[in-house]
Amino acid sequence: DAMVIQNPRYQVTQFGKPVTLSCSQTLNHNVMYWYQQKSSQAPKLLFHYYDKDFNNEADTPDNFQSRRPNTSFCFLDIRSPGLGDAAMYLCATSRDGTGDSYEQYFGPGTRLTVT
Amino acid sequence: SQQGEEDPQALSIQEGENATMNCSYKTSINNLQWYRQNSGRGLVHLILIRSNEREKHSGRLRVTLDTSKKSSSLLITASRAADTASYFCATVPISSGSARQLTFGSGTQLTVLP
Repeated sequence: DAMVIQNPRYQVTQFGKPVTLSCSQTLNHNVMYWYQQKSSQAPKLLFHYYDKDFNNEADTPDNFQSRRPNTSFCFLDIRSPGLGDAAMYLCATSRDGTGDSYEQYFGPGTRLTVT
Repeated sequence: SQQGEEDPQALSIQEGENATMNCSYKTSINNLQWYRQNSGRGLVHLILIRSNEREKHSGRLRVTLDTSKKSSSLLITASRAADTASYFCATVPISSGSARQLTFGSGTQLTVLP
């Protein structure tokens, strides 16, 4: 089945130790998104890739970076995690917006704990 | 950024009852979507309603949209325990580019008691 996969599902890192979260998709969608979701809150968009074009949200901290080496994979790098970065990180994809399909397809998320 | 507010924040009902959740938003939209999130999981798309539509049905779901009031409602009929989840509305603004970024509301936590 076509899907969005996130690895790992649970990640524990130490304060200040760089961490990378992974997302892959078999949907062949142009657009990939990274969201941060803290407990009992709505997902907050960090950035997205439209093909290879990177689009950062204005309020995304510099501590968060992303890479998309090919259509299928997208990575979220947190350079120096702080305690406030503990959250669920959600990856999502969507088709090219010039079509009629606007829904996003989400992965199961990676729960990040910072100790 | 969060565009919308949802109410109620939490809703608890008995199995078989109907559940209604409301969403308000701030800017002109291309469409509005509803998503469901089970605890600790990703979001699942439920239904999309375009700005020129007023009502849409999908199975036990009924969505309404009032663009003059910038509000939407989601009705789940004949609820089941498996409907227990958080429900989020999300809007695509008219000004969005081809990537169609979503802006999520604050969510409603629905609990359906068996």
